[in-house]
Amino acid sequence: DLQMTQSPSTLSASIGDTVTITCRASQSIRDWLAWYQQKPGKAPKLLIYKASTLESGVPSRFSGSGSGTEFTLTINGLQPDDFATYFCQQYTSDSPTWTFGQGTKVEIK
Amino acid sequence: QLVESGGGLVQPGGSLRLSCAASGFAFSRFAMHWVRQAPGMRLESLSVITGNGDSIHYANSVRGRFTISRDNSKNSLYLQMGSLRTEDMAVYYCARETTAAAERFFDLWGRGTLVTVSS
Repeated sequence: DLQMTQSPSTLSASIGDTVTITCRASQSIRDWLAWYQQKPGKAPKLLIYKASTLESGVPSRFSGSGSGTEFTLTINGLQPDDFATYFCQQYTSDSPTWTFGQGTKVEIK
Repeated sequence: QLVESGGGLVQPGGSLRLSCAASGFAFSRFAMHWVRQAPGMRLESLSVITGNGDSIHYANSVRGRFTISRDNSKNSLYLQMGSLRTEDMAVYYCARETTAAAERFFDLWGRGTLVTVSS
């Protein structure tokens, strides 16, 4: 089975910092990867899909990159609203499987 | 938006039916999913149903115990859960799958409903 490994599990950062979260797939998923933001008690929010495409309305400080098995989510200039948990999701276009990373909690340093 | 309901406390071996009310979009055009997150665990995709209900898939962990369904006339998605186990205790989310060509990510989620399985 395809596995998604996300790191780190927790990240402490300050306002204005640039932070990077990594997601690795156990086999190539081409660019079928999405990133989501989740805050306690709220619905998860789509940030990026197709590895690097920014969802409409998402601030440009969020960016995604990678293909194949290694992917990154970068937040340039962390803002107070960005302290949340982020998780990746692989979605293969040709089969009904969706697998999530473990999540990364971005905390205030 | 998507709003889940129906969660609560149930005994092991019991049943529960979750609902997801959709609004603000053409519900019948979208495949819909149920996803859960147990305490301290990653999100787990459970089941998907196409817009007209003609294709359904389940994760191995729930196949034979859970049934997904939808009523497009009521803009509602359902998850009938049976033979519940303590490991089914989780927050259950419904999510909408994108209609973008050749893409299958989730572009809208609900806030979730908590299911507690305990005696």
